[in-house]
Amino acid sequence: DAGVIQSPRHEVTEMGQEVTLRCKPISGHNSLFWYRQTMMRGLELLIYFNNNVPIDDSGMPEDRFSAKMPNASFSTLKIQPSEPRDSAVYFCASSSSGGWDTIYFGEGSWLTVV
Amino acid sequence: GQQLNQSPQSMFIQEGEDVSMNCTSSSIFNTWLWYKQDPGEGPVLLIALYKAGELTSNGRLTAQFGITRKDSFLNISASIPSDVGIYFCAGRGATNKLIFGTGTLLAVQP
Repeated sequence: DAGVIQSPRHEVTEMGQEVTLRCKPISGHNSLFWYRQTMMRGLELLIYFNNNVPIDDSGMPEDRFSAKMPNASFSTLKIQPSEPRDSAVYFCASSSSGGWDTIYFGEGSWLTVV
Repeated sequence: GQQLNQSPQSMFIQEGEDVSMNCTSSSIFNTWLWYKQDPGEGPVLLIALYKAGELTSNGRLTAQFGITRKDSFLNISASIPSDVGIYFCAGRGATNKLIFGTGTLLAVQP
């Protein structure tokens, strides 16, 4: 079975550029989560969707970050403009329970902003 | 963001030794999860706990949901080199948000 698929796996971009991270959740899962992982702050929830609707975006750092889920099999996390402090690993995860009992993570998108 | 207190931060052990790590919270949780993250990969779920006092095993791994509902423990018996990685606890409470611990880095020397 295919797991959560993220792209790109690695991205290096210059400060001020737009970054778009993509995610395909596990088929049949109705909840999708975007997390950010850094050494200093660990794993932080940025936003989560239930049935394609954003439920809680309180973790989104600022207006430069936006996330969309146009359908059940695709989501994007966009950073515009990017800054060096955005450098982190961004994980997408999905769940079938509509809640949080079992979340499955993708392999992550490693973002470096120089 | 809010995090759980996980200890120890790191462990360096010999192959064959047993390992114990724990997670504590100031608030009550309804669910505890334990994940392992290998280098360059995403966290992978190891064990899920849903009731206070619950003890669940997955091979050489055993985890317990603390009676107070404010803590959880993970034990690894007879460690092997492939146990190397970062172990995260995660808890879900009244807010329904999944909060992650700070992680325990495990290194196993053959």
